[in-house]
Amino acid sequence: DVKVTQSSRYLVKRTGEKVFLECVQDMDHENMFWYRQDPGLGLRLIYFSYDVKMKEKGDIPEGYSVSREKKERFSLILESASTNQTSMYLCASSLFTAGGVDTQYFGPGTRLTVL
Amino acid sequence: AQSVAQPEDQVNVAEGNPLTVKCTYSVSGNPYLFWYVQYPNRGLQFLLKYITGDNLVKGSYGFEAEFNKSQTSFHLKKPSALVSDSALYFCAVSPDISNFGNEKLTFGTGTRLTIIP
Repeated sequence: DVKVTQSSRYLVKRTGEKVFLECVQDMDHENMFWYRQDPGLGLRLIYFSYDVKMKEKGDIPEGYSVSREKKERFSLILESASTNQTSMYLCASSLFTAGGVDTQYFGPGTRLTVL
Repeated sequence: AQSVAQPEDQVNVAEGNPLTVKCTYSVSGNPYLFWYVQYPNRGLQFLLKYITGDNLVKGSYGFEAEFNKSQTSFHLKKPSALVSDSALYFCAVSPDISNFGNEKLTFGTGTRLTIIP
């Protein structure tokens, strides 16, 4: 089974802090994704990566950056956390499939609260 | 741009009755369609997907979904609901043409399914 792990289930940070969210997958997947989930808004894509050191902006990249130095690890960085970044953050991974999107496998999520 | 609509925020069904969770989509070209389920305080779990072929797709936990191209719909169904089916359900779509920058799904806003004992 695919396993996607996230470094924290719950995180509380203060406004202005730099926040790192880590995600690791163990299935040698090329693609990795960061989403945020908010009630009534569903999942919105922040960034994704299709290879080591490669990244693409998603639908809501403002205020976030990412890092992918190793294939299995994809980090989401909040450079200066703000209260409107309080949310559930979900990481996912998938195989690269020519011609379309393959099934994404999700981690358990990190519930971030910014005070 | 692709989009997904889940017109019902909440669906209540009595245990043992059939259930339907609705999803309509908009995408250029042929769609790849997915259903995911989220239990409380958990990540999303894959249920089923439609890529091509038979319009009726069977998935995990007895769920199935029917692809209807003319109505651009992909409704999730189960013949007999269980209390344990209570969860948040997400529909997602992607076009079938892959190029860098297009390896992504667009999710609906979710439907909370409650099965009443």
